[in-house]
Amino acid sequence: NAGVTQTPKFQVLKTGQSMTLQCAQDMNHNSMYWYRQDPGMGLRLIYYSASEGTTDKGEVPNGYNVSRLNKREFSLRLESAAPSQTSVYFCASRERRTGADTQYFGPGTRLTVL
Amino acid sequence: AQTVTQSQPEMSVQEAETVTLSCTYDTSESDYYLFWYKQPPSRQMILVIRQEAYKQQNATENRFSVNFQKAAKSFSLKISDSQLGDAAMYFCANRMGLVLGNEKLTFGTGTRLTIIP
Repeated sequence: NAGVTQTPKFQVLKTGQSMTLQCAQDMNHNSMYWYRQDPGMGLRLIYYSASEGTTDKGEVPNGYNVSRLNKREFSLRLESAAPSQTSVYFCASRERRTGADTQYFGPGTRLTVL
Repeated sequence: AQTVTQSQPEMSVQEAETVTLSCTYDTSESDYYLFWYKQPPSRQMILVIRQEAYKQQNATENRFSVNFQKAAKSFSLKISDSQLGDAAMYFCANRMGLVLGNEKLTFGTGTRLTIIP
């Protein structure tokens, strides 16, 4: 049981390049999330998907797009990377029912934009 | 808007001793959940303990326990018999309650815990 997996683990981009961060979970969870973590700050929600086929903006969605490809997979796309997007990105998932409120996190992707 | 405050950027404790990490939060909701997550150098976010606001009893998980003071909006984490493997960044987090669709988890800025051998 792998839980939440993310690829890649590390990535370096030049300003203006695009890339997609991949996330998959094998726990049959309904909800999935993308967070970013910057030095001295807690995690901030970028986008989330409450169920397959739906996505919603979080706190800091500008510069990002997401796709909920199926129940397992939730990708985050940077269309034109900027140095301000240098961060560690975490994907998480949660079973969406009352009482199941724990989010399980992937190992993170460290992204550097030059 | 919800906020979570961790006022101790760094803490240290002698191995086998007890340490308490502080967390306060602000919410207008009556039903919500509180969490402590541990982030070791591997960066993985690991759930340590969770507390439902409607439960008066403080949650415990082995050496980890919380002191939940709902009126004071305080949620501290106590680690007993500290071990070297407890060294990590600890994040307090809050999620609004039982209404499906309240998806946002609000995090504090973290407390870095060092264990002194």
